[in-house]
Amino acid sequence: ETGVTQSPTHLIKTRGQQVTLRCSSQSGHNTVSWYQQALGQGPQFIFQYYREEENGRGNFPPRFSGLQFPNYSSELNVNALELDDSALYLCASSLSGTSEKLFFGSGTQLSVL
Amino acid sequence: DAKTTQPPSMDCAEGRAANLPCNHSTISGNEYVYWYRQIHSQGPQYIIHGLKNNETNEMASLIITEDRKSSTLILPHATLRDTAVYYCIVRVHSGYSTLTFGKGTMLLVSP
Repeated sequence: ETGVTQSPTHLIKTRGQQVTLRCSSQSGHNTVSWYQQALGQGPQFIFQYYREEENGRGNFPPRFSGLQFPNYSSELNVNALELDDSALYLCASSLSGTSEKLFFGSGTQLSVL
Repeated sequence: DAKTTQPPSMDCAEGRAANLPCNHSTISGNEYVYWYRQIHSQGPQYIIHGLKNNETNEMASLIITEDRKSSTLILPHATLRDTAVYYCIVRVHSGYSTLTFGKGTMLLVSP
């Protein structure tokens, strides 16, 4: 068991809409990372939050944004949805940004029509 | 982070050892070798990691060659529940450190 929970598990949106995905990190973990996994591909790093600040970002446009709250839970927001945004979005928590182990949730499957 | 190369798929009989290879010929001296796996409909799960010495835990063993250009993950007695995609990743432990996933190896364990 990882202790990382994500909601919702599935979501359907239409092109141009906005979406918010949520993640509750494992107890005691202060770092949260988000990954996007397209069908048949490995997860791709979106960004990482440490103590409520973004401290790393992958090759994703600014319409992908996030928040981390004082309880270390996190949100991923995507504006102006595109068809290619259809993917599994994974949240991972860790004790710190350089922690050896990341603990992943089961993800949110987003479909953009 | 250095790039890794893995076979796209492998088969293994239940109860036998599964040996999953990974090539990381451009690995730097401060990069660790990590293995994660992803069972269908779940998020990736940490298995093991190492720098230069061989490592063993309750899940698997990691064998890293002396020149560190390749490694092998060994599942000593594979079960059907070990069917998953296995990712080999190299990563530094400094600043913020992310995981760069490739396509991994799909391991199918059969009865």
